[in-house]
Amino acid sequence: DGGITQSPKYLFRKEGQNVTLSCEQNLNHDAMYWYRQDPGQGLRLIYYSQIVNDFQKGDIAEGYSVSREKKESFPLTVTSAQKNPTAFYLCAAGRASGNTIYFGEGSWLTVV
Amino acid sequence: AQSVTQLDSQVPVFEEAPVELRCNYSSSVSVYLFWYVQYPNQGLQLLLKYLSGSTLVESINGFEAEFNKSQTSFHLRKPSVHISDTAEYFCAVIPNSGGYQKVTFGTGTKLQVIP
Repeated sequence: DGGITQSPKYLFRKEGQNVTLSCEQNLNHDAMYWYRQDPGQGLRLIYYSQIVNDFQKGDIAEGYSVSREKKESFPLTVTSAQKNPTAFYLCAAGRASGNTIYFGEGSWLTVV
Repeated sequence: AQSVTQLDSQVPVFEEAPVELRCNYSSSVSVYLFWYVQYPNQGLQLLLKYLSGSTLVESINGFEAEFNKSQTSFHLRKPSVHISDTAEYFCAVIPNSGGYQKVTFGTGTKLQVIP
């Protein structure tokens, strides 16, 4: 089954902890993205990567980090520096010079 | 820079009635246009897109959208909605300038279909 797989679906984090959200794709797309979704605010871009071993900050990168060691994987780490991390996180992928991006099923992160 | 405006945050409509979800955009260059649908607790699914050619595009589940360049709009319509259409709908644009371009999303419209 092709697509974008995010895990875990639900994650709870204690304050002060770092957590990592996984995103794997088998679409062979060069570009991958992480978005954050809060109610009533639409989607905000955290980081994106157009090619392996390269990534760029989006609009709200503070408190987050990423890596892109493999084409199919783009994990997102939510660090303790992120002040309000409770949100729905969406990973997406698309061709680097293409026009359409496709999304995973999302991951809920809750700080307890 | 681009911007997308979805003026209606929520649209209630009775089952089997028609619906229109509005999307207006602003851009200094030509753009591609998209509608995505998000069901509760799920990711966004591509509903339809306009890249070029006919300004009227259709989805497999009865939605259609028309690109109106003069009004910079890409409204989504369905002649008869079903309960299963209850979801949040996002309009998006991306410049068609080639190379990497940032996708700009609207804030979403929640469609509530009333039995």
